Amino acid sequence: AQSVTQLDSHVSVSEGTPVLLRCNYSSSYSPSLFWYVQHPNKGLQLLLKYTSAATLVKGINGFEAEFKKSETSFHLTKPSAHMSDAAEYFCVVSDNAPNDYKLSFGAGTTVTVRA
Amino acid sequence: DAGVTQSPTHLIKTRGQHVTLRCSPISGHKSVSWYQQVLGQGPQFIFQYYEKEERGRGNFPDRFSARQFPNYSSELNVNALLLGDSALYLCASSLVAQTRYNEQFFGPGTRLTVL
Repeated sequence: AQSVTQLDSHVSVSEGTPVLLRCNYSSSYSPSLFWYVQHPNKGLQLLLKYTSAATLVKGINGFEAEFKKSETSFHLTKPSAHMSDAAEYFCVVSDNAPNDYKLSFGAGTTVTVRA
Repeated sequence: DAGVTQSPTHLIKTRGQHVTLRCSPISGHKSVSWYQQVLGQGPQFIFQYYEKEERGRGNFPDRFSARQFPNYSSELNVNALLLGDSALYLCASSLVAQTRYNEQFFGPGTRLTVL
């Protein structure tokens, strides 16, 4: 079984300051983990993914995330927020169980960026 | 290259009616997955199809059904609509079914409102 908990439903930051979005996961296998972003009235876009290679994963638009198995966490960070980062962010897990290829999404974190 | 396309963009139905949503995957992609995103929540997995066969099914009632055609496009059907079926329905396509090394690309979604 797989599940994701996003620890913050809403994060507000000032432009130019760091962003931290927290995610904990549960998995019975060796999971793949993803972060997706959803801008208003737009589709989901993949920011980055962990698939059992390097534990520090770099994504698009300056985002990165670190897979920590001992803490079952996959937090998303960005050193300096931009106004265009305002969106909904989803942490996603896939168990990689045999014949089970679904993605399980967290409830989402809404990011607002103050000028 | 065109991304994942979905039709219609929006539709409004009344309780008890039936609805068909359509999805065209990215050219060359053989797997299509469907997700339901209720307002304020993360997407929930409904179905996955690969090579025209159902490969996974989420925790949804039998009122929900889907199929994949020889050209890999897909339809999601919902019978006997309930108010709770109001949601954004997302289609995702990928080259193959496995998620570990295989990104799922999401379409913009169909917004279904049930009155």
